[in-house]
Amino acid sequence: ETGVTQSPTHLIKTRGQQVTLRCSSQSGHNTVSWYQQALGQGPQFIFQYYREEENGRGNFPPRFSGLQFPNYSSELNVNALELDDSALYLCASSLDLWTRTNEQFFGPGTRLTVL
Amino acid sequence: GENVGLHLPTLSVQEGDNSIINCAYSNSASDYFIWYKQESGKGPQFIIDIRSNMDKRQGQRVTVLLNKTVKHLSLQIAATQPGDSAVYFCADKGGSNYKLTFGKGTLLTVNP
Repeated sequence: ETGVTQSPTHLIKTRGQQVTLRCSSQSGHNTVSWYQQALGQGPQFIFQYYREEENGRGNFPPRFSGLQFPNYSSELNVNALELDDSALYLCASSLDLWTRTNEQFFGPGTRLTVL
Repeated sequence: GENVGLHLPTLSVQEGDNSIINCAYSNSASDYFIWYKQESGKGPQFIIDIRSNMDKRQGQRVTVLLNKTVKHLSLQIAATQPGDSAVYFCADKGGSNYKLTFGKGTLLTVNP
């Protein structure tokens, strides 16, 4: 186990609804990244948070937003859910801004199904 | 656009055989690569990494080879075991300080 936890494990929503996913980073890690993994695909980078600020963002629309709290846990919020948002959402934590030699430790993910 | 991709989507081997999983990348700025293993219902797990100033790196039962000339890397697993059955991804940090770019993955099945 990596020490990164995510909740909930599974979630079912309907199109147009809003969802909040949560991540607790590994102890001592201040950087959290979020990824979307569609079925049969590799994870796609959504954004990264470092010390409560967004540090970088992938090619996702503004309805994907996030927060990082003082304890470095994080939330991913998705508004106006679409069917294509159905995926496994992964959170990864790392120690400081991830350098080439630091690992990102992934949580088990939240499986979101949009009907 | 730039991406990291894989040659084969599936690989089936016999227990005890060696496995080779291949990956091609196109981002010329790629200078750091990681192999991840993802078991069903779990997040990706770090296996081994390699920097672009290296051609080969070995770990426990795993070896990663990097050929920068043809932008190709491979993961070799020695004496493959049933517990090695999973999806394997190569990922590229591509000069970015904040994101990994993953390929589609190869499903490795180890037959007892």
